[in-house]
Amino acid sequence: AQKVTQAQTEISVVEKEDVTLDCVYETRDTTYYLFWYKQPPSGELVFLIRRNSFDEQNEISGRYSWNFQKSTSSFNFTITASQVVDSAVYFCALSEDSGNTPLVFGKGTRLSVIA
Amino acid sequence: DTEVTQTPKHLVMGMTNKKSLKCEQHMGHRAMYWYKQKAKKPPELMFVYSYEKLSINESVPSRFSPECPNSSLLNLHLHALQPEDSALYLCASSQADLTVANEQFFGPGTRLTVL
Repeated sequence: AQKVTQAQTEISVVEKEDVTLDCVYETRDTTYYLFWYKQPPSGELVFLIRRNSFDEQNEISGRYSWNFQKSTSSFNFTITASQVVDSAVYFCALSEDSGNTPLVFGKGTRLSVIA
Repeated sequence: DTEVTQTPKHLVMGMTNKKSLKCEQHMGHRAMYWYKQKAKKPPELMFVYSYEKLSINESVPSRFSPECPNSSLLNLHLHALQPEDSALYLCASSQADLTVANEQFFGPGTRLTVL
């Protein structure tokens, strides 16, 4: 069975601090996809990144970076120099490779960035 | 156009009412999804349509009836709901690919209150 664990329920940081959101996953599939979504207070889930299981390269996009480690089944997300606009709930999700399969979401981490 | 739109934004209905939620996308996506999200919880998948055919129904009660009239539209018909059905209802769309789990793009949601 697939499972995503986001152990951090809530995190508060002061603006300009770096923050890492943890994501640990379980799957028996050798091919799978990992995602991160942001849900600001407005409610819409915003897609941030998709990573397939064969691509362990870390990725950087502006202030955002992702560290994928198959050895520890983790796909962690770091925000550098956090800003108030980063305040949101962040979800990590997992999906099999067979197309249109459900996203298995973690419970989410609520990030509050304080000015 | 990379937007998924949902109407209405808010809906209040009684337990005997019949109402419909609407979702539209013009990204050429052939997979569309309905999710239900309770407060402080991750989204839960309800239905998946692939090429306008229902492909996944996650054991949703029959008082929720999905419909996909064409490749751009997805409806969710509501009848005889219960107060516990109050939630944020999210629509999403993605490329329909039998071998790859593509990123899903979400609409802003309809916040439903059942009295």
